[in-house]
Amino acid sequence: AQSVTQLGSHVSVSEGALVLLRCNYSSSVPPYLFWYVQYPNQGLQLLLKYTSAATLVKGINGFEAEFKKSETSFHLTKPSAHMSDAAEYFCAVSDGNTNAGKSTFGDGTTLTVKP
Amino acid sequence: ETGVTQTPRHLVMGMTNKKSLKCEQHLGHNAMYWYKQSAKKPLELMFVYSLEERVENNSVPSRFSPECPNSSHLFLHLHTLQPEDSALYLCASSQGSGANVLTFGAGSRLTVL
Repeated sequence: AQSVTQLGSHVSVSEGALVLLRCNYSSSVPPYLFWYVQYPNQGLQLLLKYTSAATLVKGINGFEAEFKKSETSFHLTKPSAHMSDAAEYFCAVSDGNTNAGKSTFGDGTTLTVKP
Repeated sequence: ETGVTQTPRHLVMGMTNKKSLKCEQHLGHNAMYWYKQSAKKPLELMFVYSLEERVENNSVPSRFSPECPNSSHLFLHLHTLQPEDSALYLCASSQGSGANVLTFGAGSRLTVL
C-alpha cells in the first residue's frame, strides 16, 4: 500500500523567493517518486522523478527535490520563484511492480507567485 | 504529432446526449489511462488499458464506456451523464512499469447541463 500527503493546499511566495512544496509518502516497498506540474487548462507534465539513482534529483525549470528515506519525504524546492511558476503541483508515488497509471497522487498544492 | 493528444478540448452536452472523447498517443507506449479531475477532489483513475486489454475499472458508472481499438488510441464514450460528471478528463500513457513516467494529454473539459 502507498500514500502521499502534500502539506499545504495553497502556497504563496513573492517573486524571487524560495519555493518549498512539501510531500510525504508511505510505501511498503522502495518507492518511485514524482513531481508533476499542471498549468491552467493543461494536463500534468513531469517536473522530476526519483528512481533510487541519486537522492537529490534535478528537474526542469530550476526545480529540484531531495529524497529523505528517514523522513519519508520528497520536498520540491526552487531557489528563486518566477511568475511563470504559478501552477498546481502534484507529488506521486508508485512501485516497480504495478502499472505506472496506478501511481498514487497527492491532492495537489497550488503555488501563487506575487510580483 | 508527438505526445498525447485529446479531442475535443471542450465539450458541453445535455444529460440525454451521447458523445465521445478521443485520445491518441504516438510515443510507442503500451498502456493508456483515463483520469477524472474535479475541482477540490483528488485525481481519480478511471480505467487502465495495458496492451489494449482493460485491466482496471475503478468502479466507474456504466454511463462511461471506454474503448481501446489499438495501442495508439483510446476513447471514452459518454451517455446519459449527470451534472456531477462535469470535470476535466485526462488521458495519459506510459510504458507499463511503475518506474515509468506518465505522459498526459491536455484534457477534455466536459460540462453536463
